[in-house]
Amino acid sequence: DQQVKQNSPSLSVQEGRISILNCDYTNSMFDYFLWYKKYPAEGPTFLISISSIKDKNEDGRFTVFLNKSAKHLSLHIVPSQPGDSAVYFCAASAVNTDKLIFGTGTRLQVFP
Amino acid sequence: GAVVSQHPSWVICKSGTSVKIECRSLDFQATTMFWYRQFPKQSLMLMATSNEGSKATYEQGVEKDKFLINHASLTLSTLTVTSAHPEDSSFYICSASEEVLRNEQFFGPGTRLTVL
Repeated sequence: DQQVKQNSPSLSVQEGRISILNCDYTNSMFDYFLWYKKYPAEGPTFLISISSIKDKNEDGRFTVFLNKSAKHLSLHIVPSQPGDSAVYFCAASAVNTDKLIFGTGTRLQVFP
Repeated sequence: GAVVSQHPSWVICKSGTSVKIECRSLDFQATTMFWYRQFPKQSLMLMATSNEGSKATYEQGVEKDKFLINHASLTLSTLTVTSAHPEDSSFYICSASEEVLRNEQFFGPGTRLTVL
């Protein structure tokens, strides 16, 4: 049972444009969400997070939006840069637990 | 920023041997450490959660006798894959978190295990 889903396995975006990565979840007990960036053969790198009491969090070029009623979150990267090319994982954590449940990842490719 | 290291970064072993992977938090005390496994083109799957000085909590379907986890200090956790078989070949990643930074897990660079 995949509690965190990233339905788009890949995304290709032109440099300078906006990249939108989507994530859906099923567990209503999740109250904290994170996005990680990962290169092959490396560990994930934390990008940005959001608590369920918010619907938006912004950090530089990265913005995460949370729609609790739809159980959906998205990561916006603008403007996209070639260095953003990587696999992006969303992750979720439930109340009173440190465990992270990861989505399946979306491979983003930013081309010039 | 918080740094987590893993050693070795890659290892090749024969079937039936045991392999130990170390995970260290270099500049902070990790009250909790996590071990993940990633198959090619798949998500990171949590294997177990360990707290310093206590037994690890394993996720459903993970054999505790096969994947031995020791968290002897606040900066070191080890994962030992016992009697490794080719199906154990995978990318193993650890992460660590501090008590006050809930959900803030810092990941190691991962260890590529290949069992021949």
